[in-house]
Amino acid sequence: GAVVSQHPSWVICKSGTSVKIECRSLDFQATTMFWYRQFPKQSLMLMATSNEGSKATYEQGVEKDKFLINHASLTLSTLTVTSAHPEDSSFYICIPSKTGRTEAFFGQGTRLTVV
Amino acid sequence: GDSVTQMEGPVTLSEEAFLTINCTYTATGYPSLFWYVQYPGEGLQLLLKATKADDKGSNKGFEATYRKETTSFHLEKGSVQVSDSAVYFCASSYGGATNKLIFGTGTLLAVQP
Repeated sequence: GAVVSQHPSWVICKSGTSVKIECRSLDFQATTMFWYRQFPKQSLMLMATSNEGSKATYEQGVEKDKFLINHASLTLSTLTVTSAHPEDSSFYICIPSKTGRTEAFFGQGTRLTVV
Repeated sequence: GDSVTQMEGPVTLSEEAFLTINCTYTATGYPSLFWYVQYPGEGLQLLLKATKADDKGSNKGFEATYRKETTSFHLEKGSVQVSDSAVYFCASSYGGATNKLIFGTGTLLAVQP
């Protein structure tokens, strides 16, 4: 299967600071990157979809100014949680994709804890 | 819009018991269907999939059949092991770069020795 590297795997930050999460598609060129988050005991919910070289499309209820997504290349996308608050504590997962791909491969995800 | 509904957990079974986790979907078209598994402390990984009606996905003793008439994709295993303890997610997708995965809420399975 495809190899996806997400970094960091876990991070603890203070309230009000920003955290950047990197997602790399190591063995294929991802024209699209899906970012999901998973709150405790809940399912994965799509936050945003980004296409390489263009602005991300955010799901309803997700603040685009708070969750900054950059998809500068076909192998790298970043999610920055700005001015993090405890309610942003969650498990964030990226899924790189491209046309013709019918299944998803996940990285290990990033466990964010805001204290 | 499309959605996926799973039975709520947790499901607690004894080793070698029969497992069924129900999953139904709503869709405007004909998506592919997936089961993903998340073991404790790990990320999600694909367990099995089916891409069209009447297809049966299978892996590691688990099976699920794509039933268009009942819009279901129930996960089954004849004899569970303690190592099967995990969270199982049912999901749908039309595939391709622009089509997202839609997940169910996940079902925690706990298998006791």
